[in-house]
Amino acid sequence: DVKVTQSSRYLVKRTGEKVFLECVQDMDHENMFWYRQDPGLGLRLIYFSYDVKMKEKGDIPEGYSVSREKKERFSLILESASTNQTSMYLCASVGLQSSYNEQFFGPGTRLTVL
Amino acid sequence: AQSVAQPEDQVNVAEGNPLTVKCTYSVSGNPYLFWYVQYPNRGLQFLLKYITGDNLVKGSYGFEAEFNKSQTSFHLKKPSALVSDSALYFCAVSPYGQNFVFGPGTRLSVLP
Repeated sequence: DVKVTQSSRYLVKRTGEKVFLECVQDMDHENMFWYRQDPGLGLRLIYFSYDVKMKEKGDIPEGYSVSREKKERFSLILESASTNQTSMYLCASVGLQSSYNEQFFGPGTRLTVL
Repeated sequence: AQSVAQPEDQVNVAEGNPLTVKCTYSVSGNPYLFWYVQYPNRGLQFLLKYITGDNLVKGSYGFEAEFNKSQTSFHLKKPSALVSDSALYFCAVSPYGQNFVFGPGTRLSVLP
C-alpha cells in the first residue's frame, strides 16, 4: 500500500514564526502536492513538484515556499506564519507509472497560528 | 479554466435509502473525473474515477458514479446508504491526469 506521512497531525505556532511541514511518500512517486483545506473552499493547491529540486506554484502560493531535495520528501515552509494561514494542510503524491492515477493523500496537519 | 461545482453543502439521507451527491464540472477537452471521501481527522481517500468507456463507474464501498457528458455532471450514488458513509465527499477533475481541481465538498449525513 502507498503510504504518505506528514510530520505532525496538530501544530500550534505563533505569528511570525517560521513553520516547516514535512511530507514523505514511500512509493517512489514523481509528483507531490501541497494543498490547504478550508471549510466551504475545498482543497486549494499551494505548490507542486514534478521532480527533485523542481517546484511549480499552484493557485495560492503567497506566503509559502517548498523544498524537494529528495524524491520521497516534499516540505512546505511558512516563512512568517500569519493567522490567516490557520488551516488543514494536506500532502499528496501520484506516480507516473500509468496515466490518470488517483492522488494518494497524507492524514493532514491541522495548523493553528496564534 | 477548469472548475468543479458541488451544489449542495449538505445532504441528509436515512439509512437504507439511496443517496446521490451531485457534481458538475467545466473543463476543456476530455474530462478525467474523480470522487474522494474524507472521514473526520483523516486525509482524502480515493473512491472511483472516470477516464473513458462506460459512463457508469463502480468504486469502493458500493459507490458508483454516472458520467453525463451533455450535462457535464458526474454524480456519486449508492443504492443503500449506511451510517458509516457519513463523511465529506469531494469531486475533482484532472485536466491532464496529474494536477487536480477539487470541488468545495459535500457533507453527507446518514441518519439511523
